[in-house]
Amino acid sequence: AQKITQTQPGMFVQEKEAVTLDCTYDTSDPSYGLFWYKQPSSGEMIFLIYQGSYDQQNATEGRYSLNFQKARKSANLVISASQLGDSAMYFCAMRGPYSGGYQKVTFGTGTKLQVIP
Amino acid sequence: KAGVTQTPRYLIKTRGQQVTLSCSPISGHRSVSWYQQTPGQGLQFLFEYFSETQRNKGNFPGRFSGRQFSNSRSEMNVSTLELGDSALYLCASSLTSVNEQFFGPGTRLTVL
Repeated sequence: AQKITQTQPGMFVQEKEAVTLDCTYDTSDPSYGLFWYKQPSSGEMIFLIYQGSYDQQNATEGRYSLNFQKARKSANLVISASQLGDSAMYFCAMRGPYSGGYQKVTFGTGTKLQVIP
Repeated sequence: KAGVTQTPRYLIKTRGQQVTLSCSPISGHRSVSWYQQTPGQGLQFLFEYFSETQRNKGNFPGRFSGRQFSNSRSEMNVSTLELGDSALYLCASSLTSVNEQFFGPGTRLTVL
């Protein structure tokens, strides 16, 4: 079975500080992709970063980086130099390999991040 | 470049009715995915289309269906609506792979 766990329902971070949002996953497949999305209060989902299970290096996109620890099955999102606009819900997700023509997609329950001025 | 558009933005239906939601992807994008978001079940993947073919689907009953047209626009249809179908329906498009998707603003469906 494929599962994503985000254990932090809510977090606070001071503006300009770095913050780590936790994500652990469970799968028996060697091939998978891990994603992070941001959803501000407006509701529109924003793709942030992607990490493939065979990628040797941690993914980075601007102020976002994914701390991928395969042995521990964790894919934590690190936001450097937090900004007020980073206040939002953050979702971790996983796509498994294609099996029988279909690819399982699983989302975590999300972490609500609030950036304090 | 215009983003992903979804119509309508808000919709109110009653149980037993059917509904069709529309999604226009970013120009040139051939992959369209649909997601359902509810307070109880969270985010769930519905289906994905690529070049008019369903490439992937989630675990939803047959009441949920979709299609993609030759211009990559996509529609999803829910028949025999139930109260539990009340949700935010999100559409996302990408060039080919789903590794970088762009989302629309969503359609908020309320079933009374």
